[in-house]
Amino acid sequence: GQQVMQIPQYQHVQEGEDFTTYCNSSTTLSNIQWYKQRPGGHPVFLIQLVKSGEVKKQKRLTFQFGEAKKNSSLHITATQTTDVGTYFCGGGAQKLVFGQGTRLTINP
Amino acid sequence: GAVVSQHPSRVICKSGTSVKIECRSLDFQATTMFWYRQFPKKSLMLMATSNEGSKATYEQGVEKDKFLINHASLTLSTLTVTSAHPEDSSFYICSASGQGYYGYTFGSGTRLTVV
Repeated sequence: GQQVMQIPQYQHVQEGEDFTTYCNSSTTLSNIQWYKQRPGGHPVFLIQLVKSGEVKKQKRLTFQFGEAKKNSSLHITATQTTDVGTYFCGGGAQKLVFGQGTRLTINP
Repeated sequence: GAVVSQHPSRVICKSGTSVKIECRSLDFQATTMFWYRQFPKKSLMLMATSNEGSKATYEQGVEKDKFLINHASLTLSTLTVTSAHPEDSSFYICSASGQGYYGYTFGSGTRLTVV
């Protein structure tokens, strides 16, 4: 079945440093979605990418969908303490299968 | 935006009893809802796809007789954990996608503790 792998599993940065998480699928995805889950909370939708090579920005967050539609990345520029949480990528046509998530912690 | 309400948020039950968790789409109709399970500091594991008016589709390894799913209307899906055991203790969370909305909206989750 479809598998979505995400790296790294954990990332600890100093506030102000950049952060990137990568998502790879075993199959071509019709779309990729990114979610953020704060500690103790539930996943919150961030963005959906559909087109091959698509790049979207949300303030300090940049999302990219690979040309082959099998990988994606989320890059945060100049992290802030409010960015703390676990970032999940997920994809699938009929159902949303998540990667393992990348837990971001930040040293203020 | 789309809102999904999940109840209860926390429940403690005795081993051997059953627990029902409700997931409601408040401002949209959801023909499909999804149920996930999440262990501490782990990813969301898809358990089943709940389809309105028909049987749920379970993922491999998920016991359908243990985790009963009912999707009686376009706004309500329920997950019943039957004959709960301590190993069923986990965070259960539902999600749904509404027409016209991007992505999936998640409920706030239910933390189940079986003692």
